Amino acid sequence: AQSVTQLDSQVPVFEEAPVELRCNYSSSVSVYLFWYVQYPNQGLQLLLKYLSGSTLVKGINGFEAEFNKSQTSFHLRKPSVHISDTAEYFCAVSYGNKLVFGAGTILRVKS
Amino acid sequence: DVKVTQSSRYLVKRTGEKVFLECVQDMDHENMFWYRQDPGLGLRLIYFSYDVKMKEKGDIPEGYSVSREKKERFSLILESASTNQTSMYLCASRTKGWGPNYGYTFGSGTRLTVV
Repeated sequence: AQSVTQLDSQVPVFEEAPVELRCNYSSSVSVYLFWYVQYPNQGLQLLLKYLSGSTLVKGINGFEAEFNKSQTSFHLRKPSVHISDTAEYFCAVSYGNKLVFGAGTILRVKS
Repeated sequence: DVKVTQSSRYLVKRTGEKVFLECVQDMDHENMFWYRQDPGLGLRLIYFSYDVKMKEKGDIPEGYSVSREKKERFSLILESASTNQTSMYLCASRTKGWGPNYGYTFGSGTRLTVV
């Protein structure tokens, strides 16, 4: 079955600390991978995507993610977070015609 | 930029009512999707459509149907609304083909409350 697992439902972190949000997906021959962010009471915004090529993908707002095919993972990282990064983050995987989402990780940045 | 417009931001309906959620995209995309978003569950696919009058069930189609009479418009129908359908509903449209611009655009969502 096609599934996406975000291993942490909530991640609290202090401002200026690094953060990693983890995402694993069920294996498939070929997938496209996405990270979206949702700020409170707003819609989904694309952070970054992996379609092919370099396994290290850079996105907006200083985020990056690494595609690891052998581990079927696509973890999101930021070296130094800001209060404004507080939001919910969704990993999503495109299996053919279907885009399957993880349950989301709430990132809480504390001062 | 591709725009996906959902007609209502907030909607309150009564149990048993027939509810229509409308979605329009302006980039001639063949593929359109309806999701519902619930806390702790992420977004779950209800239905999608890959062409006019074509539809496929997603992961949670029970209690819903869809209509795609024109390419730009994809409607989600709750035949008889129930309280467990209270949720945020998101429509999405996807680019054609599989090139570097491949991606999805989401509408702002409709928060439906069934009372």
